[in-house]
Order: sequence, then C-alpha cells, then structure tokens
Amino acid sequence: EDKVVQSPLSLVVHEGDTVTLNCSYEVTNFRSLLWYKQEKKAPTFLFMLTSSGIEKKSGRLSSILDKKELFSILNITATQTGDSAVYLCAGDYNQGGKLIFGQGTELSVKP
Amino acid sequence: NAGVTQTPKFRVLKTGQSMTLLCAQDMNHEYMYWYRQDPGMGLRLIHYSVGEGTTAKGEVPDGYNVSRLKKQNFLLGLESAAPSQTSVYFCASSYAGAPYEQYFGPGTRLTVT
Repeated sequence: EDKVVQSPLSLVVHEGDTVTLNCSYEVTNFRSLLWYKQEKKAPTFLFMLTSSGIEKKSGRLSSILDKKELFSILNITATQTGDSAVYLCAGDYNQGGKLIFGQGTELSVKP
Repeated sequence: NAGVTQTPKFRVLKTGQSMTLLCAQDMNHEYMYWYRQDPGMGLRLIHYSVGEGTTAKGEVPDGYNVSRLKKQNFLLGLESAAPSQTSVYFCASSYAGAPYEQYFGPGTRLTVT
C-alpha cells in the first residue's frame, strides 16, 4: 500500500533554533518528492526533489532526498515566527499530477 | 489574476442533501484536482483531471462525482451528503509540464449534520 509518513507530527521551537522534519515514502512508480508549506489556508509549493543526494535550497530552507532509503528531510535554520506552519510532504505517482500526502508536521516557532 | 478560486467558502448541509462545489482557475492550467483535508490526515486526493472532458479517481473518490466541461472549471458534486464528508475541501491546478507544482484555492469548509 502506498504511503507517506511524516515525523514528528508537531514541534515547538524557539526563534533561532534549527529544525529537521522527516518524510518517508512508499509510492508506486515514484517520480519525485514534494514539500509544501501550509499556513492558515492553502498549501504553497516549496521544493521538488527527484535525485538522491542533491540538496535543494531556498533561503533558510533546504531539503534532500535519499531514494535508496526512501526518505527526505526538510531543514530550517535560524527559525523565525513566520516559519510557523504545517509542512506537508508528498510523493508523486508519475501519473498526471497525482500526489499522495503525508499527515503533515505542525511547526510552532515561539519568540 | 485571481489564481484558483472556490465557491462557496462555507456550507452547512443536512444528511442526504446534495451540493456542488465550484473551482475556477485563470492560469490556463491543464490539470486540476480536488482534495479533502481532515485533522491529522494531510490532504487526500478525491478526483483529478488532466484535461477538459477527462476525469480520474484519486485516493478517496467514493460519494463524490466531478465534471470538467471547461478547461478553467472543475466541479465537485456530493449527491447525498453524509457526516463523514464533513471536511475542508481544496481545489488545485497545475501545468502539465510541472504537475507537482500545484496551486491551491482557499478551501471550502463543509459541515454535514
């Protein structure tokens, strides 16, 4: 059965901390691993990873994929209160944009 | 450029009633999707469409029907609502060349009593 599992489910940190969010997956015909950020309402796209070992970076966020061990991590350095959100990872079935999402990690950054 | 819009934003239904949720996008995207989001369960794909006149089942299609008569619109129908369909519904769209980068609407909060 296809699945995407994220850990931890929730996390509380203080501003300036570094956090690591985990995502493991089992997806038939896997093409890529996606990370999305969901504040209050609609999710927004962060990263797409297709190759093992190649880090994607955007400012203080970075992510890497391990296709042998079937997992990905999302790192956020020097966290800010604006990073508070639910972070979702998803596996791409390589079938018309069909994605399977994990449960999400709710990150709360305290001042 | 409004992006992806959803109508209505909120709705309360009684068990057995029917309704249609409307999704519209103005980005000329080929692909469109309907998800539901329940507490602690992330997003689950209900149905999706890779083009006008085509639809396909996602992860949780039972109890829902969809239609894509125009490229810019994707309708989600509930023929006989059940309390288990209480959820937040999100529509999304994407380019065929980058289907993983999906643009989401603001969501519709549906309560079935």
